[in-house]
Amino acid sequence: GAVVSQHPSRVICKSGTSVKIECRSLDFQATTMFWYRQFPKQSLMLMATSNEGSKATYEQGVEKDKFLINHASLTLSTLTVTSAHPEDSSFYICSASVVGYNEQFFGPGTRLTVL
Amino acid sequence: AQSVSQHNHHVILSEAASLELGCNYSYGGTVNLFWYVQYPGQHLQLLLKYFSGDPLVKGIKGFEAEFIKSKFSFNLRKPSVQWSDTAEYFCAVNPVTPGGKLIFGQGTELSVKP
Repeated sequence: GAVVSQHPSRVICKSGTSVKIECRSLDFQATTMFWYRQFPKQSLMLMATSNEGSKATYEQGVEKDKFLINHASLTLSTLTVTSAHPEDSSFYICSASVVGYNEQFFGPGTRLTVL
Repeated sequence: AQSVSQHNHHVILSEAASLELGCNYSYGGTVNLFWYVQYPGQHLQLLLKYFSGDPLVKGIKGFEAEFIKSKFSFNLRKPSVQWSDTAEYFCAVNPVTPGGKLIFGQGTELSVKP
């Protein structure tokens, strides 16, 4: 149980285009989903927290107009990288949790490369 | 600011050697503690977690960790590593407070030589 999927696993796009990444909780309803970014050989940095039906809460330094997060249902959250640039190239990881349960379940990540 | 520090960036061991990876955090209140492993090309997997109770926690694949509150530490141990333990290991801390977030250490790369 507690499986989280992400789609796509890899994406390559041209500079200036937008990319959408999906995060799904497959066998549970996630009240909260988190989006992280991981640079090579570095740790996971929390970008934003989203609760179903609410606006996402972004961490300091994360541009909310650039990284659009939608959490429309208890099993799906999306991250859209708008007008992507090469410096947005990174590994994006989502996680999901259930209220009152002190653990996050992580997705497999999405490797974004912006040319 | 709350932070998590993993002292070793890259550890190289031979098979059967014992492993200890350090993790310290800065937060004075109650915390939940985690160790995750990320095998090459794969996603994060939970190795073990501590919420309360016995400070010595057993996890999967023979790993264990000890929470020492006075030292703000949660070191990961394994008595005998295998080549298949080669991976990146992350310590993470979740302060038990409204809005408390999961804070990751910078990770330790473990390379086990066969």
